[in-house]
Amino acid sequence: GAVVSQHPSWVICKSGTSVKIECRSLDFQATTMFWYRQFPKQSLMLMATSNEGSKATYEQGVEKDKFLINHASLTLSTLTVTSAHPEDSSFYICSASGQYEKLFFGSGTQLSVL
Amino acid sequence: KQEVTQIPAALSVPEGENLVLNCSFTDSAIYNLQWFRQDPGKGLTSLLLIQSSQREQTSGRLNASLDKSSGRSTLYIAASQPGDSATYLCAAPPLGGSNYKLTFGKGTLLTVNP
Repeated sequence: GAVVSQHPSWVICKSGTSVKIECRSLDFQATTMFWYRQFPKQSLMLMATSNEGSKATYEQGVEKDKFLINHASLTLSTLTVTSAHPEDSSFYICSASGQYEKLFFGSGTQLSVL
Repeated sequence: KQEVTQIPAALSVPEGENLVLNCSFTDSAIYNLQWFRQDPGKGLTSLLLIQSSQREQTSGRLNASLDKSSGRSTLYIAASQPGDSATYLCAAPPLGGSNYKLTFGKGTLLTVNP
């Protein structure tokens, strides 16, 4: 089946630094990828839709200058959390659309900002 | 806007028991509904996808049903095993929107005790 690789699995950083998270579709091409964040015991909240070769579409309330998304190829999308602060600490998950309208998810990245 | 609710939030059962997880949605003109499994600190694994024209889908010990008129879906797990312990999420796309922009419920945390 389709595989989506996401890394790093976890990252700890100091407040004010930037963190990049990668999401790769390993055995299929994904023109569209999605980025979610999840707080403990809460559901996944869609942050943005990443389209290959064009600008990402952000959900209401998500700061595009804070969460930079780049989808430079059909197999790679990156999310950069710029000038991270403790309130950005969360679990971030990417997904890619595959065949038969199924979504395939990465394993997630736990971000902790000190 | 589609809203998805899952009941119960947590469920603990002894091994071998059959169980039902519930999912309700507000917009009955649903295109499809998916059930996912999430292990702690991990991404999501798609379990079953039910199209609006279908009433149920089965995969092994799992059976998912869809009743659009009542706005409900159920996930039935037969002969539960400790390995089934995880959070189960249901999700539906918005009416008229991208089929990939899913709205997720908060999930049901299932614990199967040996």
